[in-house]
Amino acid sequence: DAGVIQSPRHEVTEMGQEVTLRCKPISGHNSLFWYRQTMMRGLELLIYFNNNVPIDDSGMPEDRFSAKMPNASFSTLKIQPSEPRDSAVYFCASSATGTGSPGQYFGPGTRLTVT
Amino acid sequence: AQTVTQSQPEMSVQEAETVTLSCTYDTSENNYYLFWYKQPPSRQMILVIRQEAYKQQNATENRFSVNFQKAAKSFSLKISDSQLGDTAMYFCAHGSSNTGKLIFGQGTTLQVKP
Repeated sequence: DAGVIQSPRHEVTEMGQEVTLRCKPISGHNSLFWYRQTMMRGLELLIYFNNNVPIDDSGMPEDRFSAKMPNASFSTLKIQPSEPRDSAVYFCASSATGTGSPGQYFGPGTRLTVT
Repeated sequence: AQTVTQSQPEMSVQEAETVTLSCTYDTSENNYYLFWYKQPPSRQMILVIRQEAYKQQNATENRFSVNFQKAAKSFSLKISDSQLGDTAMYFCAHGSSNTGKLIFGQGTTLQVKP
């Protein structure tokens, strides 16, 4: 299995620009999670999907952030417009929830720098 | 609400020795899982070991084992024969069996010294 795939691995952009992060979960997994990690705030859950439906987006910091999962094999996290305080590592993770095989498997992360 | 607490921000151990990382949690759920994740300098989050709350037997994975004390809501990780490659940040996490959602602790940075 290829594992969770994220792209790009690194993104440097200027304040005000739109940023789109992409994620391909492990085939057969039915839940997908987006996290943000910073030194100050640690690992934060932003939003998660179950069977492509957003279940909890209470961690999304503000309206500038949006996430979609149009099908079982693809999700995006968009920031528009981006700000320097959005600089962080963004992780996508997937799991086979409710199947008796617990645990989330993480992608390699996208390091975002907003200047 | 679920909470996870790791009270040791940093720890160190000599290569080949044994170290134990502490974790306590609070939960309102009857069915849940507990996990330890490792994050080396490469920043990849790696699932190290998992424990089903309904199982009394402690989970083991090679040099990694847990001490699960359900009544005390304690879930410590023991690393035996520590290796330099074990140097990483370790996160304890509570997982809901219904949603798969994880609640992470603050992490413990482990340094294995040669």
